[in-house]
Amino acid sequence: NAGVTQTPKFQVLKTGQSMTLQCAQDMNHNSMYWYRQDPGMGLRLIYYSASEGTTDKGEVPNGYNVSRLNKREFSLRLESAAPSQTSVYFCASVFGANVLTFGAGSRLTVL
Amino acid sequence: AQSVTQLGSHVSVSEGALVLLRCNYSSSVPPYLFWYVQYPNQGLQLLLKYTTGATLVKGINGFEAEFKKSETSFHLTKPSAHMSDAAEYFCAVSDGEGRRALTFGSGTRLQVQP
Repeated sequence: NAGVTQTPKFQVLKTGQSMTLQCAQDMNHNSMYWYRQDPGMGLRLIYYSASEGTTDKGEVPNGYNVSRLNKREFSLRLESAAPSQTSVYFCASVFGANVLTFGAGSRLTVL
Repeated sequence: AQSVTQLGSHVSVSEGALVLLRCNYSSSVPPYLFWYVQYPNQGLQLLLKYTTGATLVKGINGFEAEFKKSETSFHLTKPSAHMSDAAEYFCAVSDGEGRRALTFGSGTRLQVQP
């Protein structure tokens, strides 16, 4: 099925460990985004990529890095995980008129 | 800069009653406005959107929203709630240029009582 695929769905890390969340879309969308969702705070933008080869910071980029590997893939890396990064992470992509298509989410717990 | 305020983090209605979820926005340019719904342990899916044209927008599952520029509002309504409507609802705003991401409200959790 066409859409946005995120891996892994669940991950538990210890403080200081690193990991990469993977996101791939097969809809030929130009723009891709990473959001985090925390209770009572809605979704907050971490990083986005307007097109292949470009990335920009969003509202809450500290502690994260991203790579737009090609048009399909946009990964989010935590170099040294902290408990404050415990969250549900959503990848999304869009073409044109801002109708974002979301992945199913990746639930990350940092102990 | 844009922002979205959703009044009421939790709303509870009886099955068959009117659903009203409130959303107010601020934007320095004509906004594009969206409502998304999130069912438990799932991603977000689009309910409806306003870009230009008719200010009353109809979406999926019987929901609709009206863009009121003078009130900077985009409230979501449904005449008769169903148990399956229980979910979290997010209002979002975009500047419409297609280069920036959506700014989301904090969400409203809708509970439907039998």
